[in-house]
Formats: sequence, structure tokens, C-alpha cells
Amino acid sequence: GAGVSQTPSNKVTEKGKYVELRCDPISGHTALYWYRQSLGQGPEFLIYFQGTGAADDSGLPNDRFFAVRPEGSVSTLKIQRTERGDSAVYLCASSPEGGNEQFFGPGTRLTVL
Amino acid sequence: KNQVEQSPQSLIILEGKNCTLQCNYTVSPFSNLRWYKQDTGRGPVSLTIMTFSENTKSNGRYTATLDADTKQSSLHITASQLSDSASYICVVSAGTGGFKTIFGAGTRLFVKA
Repeated sequence: GAGVSQTPSNKVTEKGKYVELRCDPISGHTALYWYRQSLGQGPEFLIYFQGTGAADDSGLPNDRFFAVRPEGSVSTLKIQRTERGDSAVYLCASSPEGGNEQFFGPGTRLTVL
Repeated sequence: KNQVEQSPQSLIILEGKNCTLQCNYTVSPFSNLRWYKQDTGRGPVSLTIMTFSENTKSNGRYTATLDADTKQSSLHITASQLSDSASYICVVSAGTGGFKTIFGAGTRLFVKA
């Protein structure tokens, strides 16, 4: 596609539920990043994929968070047993191999009630 | 600890005026510094990227500077327009691969008619 897309754009769920957030990177981009952005704050790094593998998952806050990228393109961020503190905008970005610039998607706004 | 600090937190200016936003960082090893513009409800969009050897980069009315010795960067906006109202985020990448990114909290700019 022309840019990074994320679905859904908004997700409202109840505390304790499981959610999946999807990211479609720009075609051909090998690197994919997930970030979390709380209101009034800059994005916070969660995880970085190079191809199919997670090169750095040091930003994942705990084991309720998991992300996959099985074919090296689309990625899914999975959150188990959601908590109210998980409410935020989850941003995905991709970059071409060897590139410095990250191209961001519009984000998924997650609200945990 | 790797940190990126931005000032001011918010800024109000009149249309047509210039302004300068500041970014100080303590990130090592430094790979590159980027300025992003983030409109409300959207993902960040890259304005400029600078590596260690670059000390200025322009993109239309936006001019970024980098002083790698003092670890400071600035973003100067010339002849501001109402559409410049947004958050401006300073992002520093660390590591030899440059993939570990640290975001500032952003400066919220309001341009008034």
C-alpha cells in the first residue's frame, strides 16, 4: 500500500479481555516497530522486528504483551488480560532495509474500560 | 540513561511569526536525530533527519540544527501558518544499527490567526 495502515482505528474493550492490533507496513519495508503513546507524551518504544524476528523486544512492559510478524510483513500486537493502564494509542512504523526514517501509521486508539 | 528532553512544553504564536523549538538529548551511541510533526489523532510524519556529521537540514519552512558536541538540536519554523499547529517530536536513535529510538515528549505548538 501507499503507507502504513493499522486496524482497527479504535478499539474499546473491557478489563481482562484479549485484544489484537494489526499493522500493515509499507510494502518491501523490512523493519517494523511498535510504539505506545499516552496522552501528551511522546511514543514509547515497545518492540522492533527485522524481517520475521523480533530484534529488540525490550520495550514490552510485561508478559501480557506479545507481537508477531510471521511472514515478515504484517504484524500483530497481542495484549492479554487487558488493564485500564493499557489504554493508549498504539503506533506502528516501518522502514526500508538500511533506512533511517520510520514511516508511521495512524495508530490504533485502545480504550480499556 | 538515554533521554530526550524538549522545551518548551507548549507554545502559542501568531500566524506569520517565527519560532524555535529545543531538544536536548543524552543518548549514546548516537546514530541520528529526527524531528517529527504529529497532528492530533494522526501518526508522526518525518520533517528532517540528521546524522552526526550534519549540523543543519531544511525542509521548506522548517530548519533543524544539530550540535553533536553539546547534544542539542533545534527546529526553527519560519513564517508560521495555522496548519503548523501540531506536536513536534524530537527523536534520537542509538546504537550501531540506529534502530533503538528514544522519543521526546514533544512541544505542542498552537498558531493563532
